[in-house]
Amino acid sequence: EAGVAQSPRYKIIEKRQSVAFWCNPISGHATLYWYQQILGQGPKLLIQFQNNGVVDDSQLPKDRFSAERLKGVDSTLKIQPAKLEDSAVYLCASSLSRGGFNEQFFGPGTRLTVL
Amino acid sequence: SQQGEEDPQALSIQEGENATMNCSYKTSINNLQWYRQNSGRGLVHLILIRSNEREKHSGRLRVTLDTSKKSSSLLITASRAADTASYFCATVDAGKSTFGDGTTLTVKP
Repeated sequence: EAGVAQSPRYKIIEKRQSVAFWCNPISGHATLYWYQQILGQGPKLLIQFQNNGVVDDSQLPKDRFSAERLKGVDSTLKIQPAKLEDSAVYLCASSLSRGGFNEQFFGPGTRLTVL
Repeated sequence: SQQGEEDPQALSIQEGENATMNCSYKTSINNLQWYRQNSGRGLVHLILIRSNEREKHSGRLRVTLDTSKKSSSLLITASRAADTASYFCATVDAGKSTFGDGTTLTVKP
């Protein structure tokens, strides 16, 4: 079974530039998550999708971050414009269903450095 | 703020020893999950314990849950150098998962 795929693995940009990350979850997984993990901290949920609908985006900085999950499969997370404090690893995860009763499968992450 | 908080922040032991990590949380939960993260990698699910369970085993892992104290512990027995990683607890409430900041475990060969 293929795991969660993410690209790119690394990205370096200047502040005020824009950046996009892509995630392809495990086939058949209805729930997709985007997390931000700052060095030395645990993952912080940015947005959770159930199929192609948003179920939780309460911690997403909506003035600069946006995400979509077209057709309920793969997803894109965008930052525009980026700030220095956005430097972090962005993790995508998927699970069979909503509710937190299933384990989450994580991708390798995208390490973003904002200069 | 994070729901789950792990203790200690860092733990260093010799190979063959047991490692115990604790997680405390503040509100009610449906279940609690433990994950491992090797340096530069994504998280890997280890074990899930439901709110009505008190103890669960998986190989060398033993997880306990005390809902009255709002705490959980992860015990790794007979540790190996390959167990070196960060360990996170995630509390699940109303479908939402919240991770703590983790315990960094170093197992010296």
